[in-house]
Amino acid sequence: SQQGEEDPQALSIQEGENATMNCSYKTSINNLQWYRQNSGRGLVHLILIRSNEREKHSGRLRVTLDTSKKSSSLLITASRAADTASYFCAPTNAGNMLTFGGGTRLMVKP
Amino acid sequence: DTGVSQDPRHKITKRGQNVTFRCDPISEHNRLYWYRQTLGQGPEFLTYFQNEAQLEKSRLLSDRFSAERPKGSFSTLEIQRTEQGDSAMYLCASSSNRDSPLHFGNGTRLTVT
Repeated sequence: SQQGEEDPQALSIQEGENATMNCSYKTSINNLQWYRQNSGRGLVHLILIRSNEREKHSGRLRVTLDTSKKSSSLLITASRAADTASYFCAPTNAGNMLTFGGGTRLMVKP
Repeated sequence: DTGVSQDPRHKITKRGQNVTFRCDPISEHNRLYWYRQTLGQGPEFLTYFQNEAQLEKSRLLSDRFSAERPKGSFSTLEIQRTEQGDSAMYLCASSSNRDSPLHFGNGTRLTVT
């Protein structure tokens, strides 16, 4: 298993703005997953992108994957106060032991 | 509600006491994971079951920690002789197969005084 590292550690934006978070990892992957965690709650799966995909959309979420740079980004468009949470990436190889970095703490101000 | 459930939600215990947490995964999921999370950090992998078999344990997991999954359904995590450093959120997750996303419960928050 391997750990993704999210960047930035914290991000503060106004409602309506876009938020971009980045993830870097070290070895080859089968897929990469993004999760959200609201304070005091468990993680919620947002989106999974496979190693042979370059971009994926889900509602206001857009994820890109660049396997040559071993990086991924999560874009949240037209952010809302309810998007305030921590966001984690989880690069996955064959073992599927998901491990997490420190996350990006996003605050969306109304 | 057919999500992952954890019990209790909160546990306060004195140092040196034993505690046990329970996790009920989504019923058709054969994989079950335990994580620990401290404030401001990401979840840290502890251990993983496929059905009733415990297939991996983190080397960070001391021998005071033990987990079981009898009959491949619910799981328990026991911490013996708790220490203040055990204070954390303990998260359980389940998945249906190797490449599926994890479904997390809302955790058990342990405070050791």
